[in-house]
Amino acid sequence: ETGVTQTPRHLVMGMTNKKSLKCEQHLGHNAMYWYKQSAKKPLELMFVYNFKEQTENNSVPSRFSPECPNSSHLFLHLHTLQPEDSALYLCASSPTGMVLAGPWTQYFGPGTRLTVL
Amino acid sequence: AQSVTQLDSQVPVFEEAPVELRCNYSSSVSVYLFWYVQYPNQGLQLLLKYLSGSTLVESINGFEAEFNKSQTSFHLRKPSVHISDTAEYFCAVSPRVSGGYNKLIFGAGTRLAVHP
Repeated sequence: ETGVTQTPRHLVMGMTNKKSLKCEQHLGHNAMYWYKQSAKKPLELMFVYNFKEQTENNSVPSRFSPECPNSSHLFLHLHTLQPEDSALYLCASSPTGMVLAGPWTQYFGPGTRLTVL
Repeated sequence: AQSVTQLDSQVPVFEEAPVELRCNYSSSVSVYLFWYVQYPNQGLQLLLKYLSGSTLVESINGFEAEFNKSQTSFHLRKPSVHISDTAEYFCAVSPRVSGGYNKLIFGAGTRLAVHP
């Protein structure tokens, strides 16, 4: 399988559940990203990992816990979520490092549609 | 800090008609500019980008966008749309920082609906 894959594609969970979202990239990239896409709102960057190290955390509530065990895999662990956390969660990856010709392109997965009841 | 405003949340248009999707941005530093497209049940795909040089950039499927520095705009246009262009389109900027990864700031998106 090529590109960026995300599992599951759909998830329904209660506010007391614990679940995890998985992202896998087969592109040899070293940077991985989690975004939240809510209706009528801009995509929100949540976390960035560069060479397995977290380099961005945009004031994300602690009920979202990312994990990057290697450059190909990224997880988002969820616990005690709120209904307002219902959204499409997108994972992306890109190469990294100095580039003179402009920024690296991010490649996106299809997303996990999360519904919190 | 950067922000992106997409002025239209929805744009309905008939097939073979021209279309323009508007995007304005604000930034205290120089930025790169992007348009991404999201087809139903798919992730975002890069449509085109402006890095430097000619202010008019084109994609392989007939879209073009023009960077206007004085108006801080990067509007997307297509002279004749197809049903298959129905999708959500996102404008994004990235600060021209050196090294590392690419930090994208997105607009809220414009849903393009092409009708027969």
